[in-house]
Amino acid sequence: KQEVTQIPAALSVPEGENLVLNCSFTDSAIYNLQWFRQDPGKGLTSLLLIQSSQREQTSGRLNASLDKSSGRSTLYIAASQPGDSATYLCAVQPMEYGNKLVFGAGTILRVKS
Amino acid sequence: DGGITQSPKYLFRKEGQNVTLSCEQNLNHDAMYWYRQDPGQGLRLIYYSQIVNDFQKGDIAEGYSVSREKKESFPLTVTSAQKNPTAFYLCAADGGGTEAFFGQGTRLTVV
Repeated sequence: KQEVTQIPAALSVPEGENLVLNCSFTDSAIYNLQWFRQDPGKGLTSLLLIQSSQREQTSGRLNASLDKSSGRSTLYIAASQPGDSATYLCAVQPMEYGNKLVFGAGTILRVKS
Repeated sequence: DGGITQSPKYLFRKEGQNVTLSCEQNLNHDAMYWYRQDPGQGLRLIYYSQIVNDFQKGDIAEGYSVSREKKESFPLTVTSAQKNPTAFYLCAADGGGTEAFFGQGTRLTVV
């Protein structure tokens, strides 16, 4: 059974700092990995989708990498801002039948001004 | 404007009452999902559907029911058998191996 783990569970950084969020998964047979952002009381917003054949994706100050063989992904946020404060969730889509998303518990990020 | 629409945003349920949460999508995606989120916890899968008129139980299906009569719609009913229904419910859709999109959620409270 696919399991997804996110480290750290919470992170507090000063504004302007570069930071890395980590995601690991137990089964490398995946279609893709997706990073989401969730603000309090809101739904999930998709940030980046990495297909299994890709190594990384970039969007603005965000860069996500994927090492499928080792079961790891990182989300790099450059020059963090208070508006980046949110919960960040990692999810994989397994190749098994049904291929439903499997989520990690998330990393709560606080960027202090 | 394309996306996932969930309604209502807030819902209150009395003891012994069934309530239905609505989820509509205009993305033309085959797969739709219902998740439950409790404070400080990750998302747990309730039900999912890969195609019209077909759906499967997720990890916590007891006390819930769904239907998928149309591609665009995937309503979730929280029955009286669900003893602890107070939670934040999220609906999602994807095209199978493609980016998943989520609605803004429904917060259900037992009164």
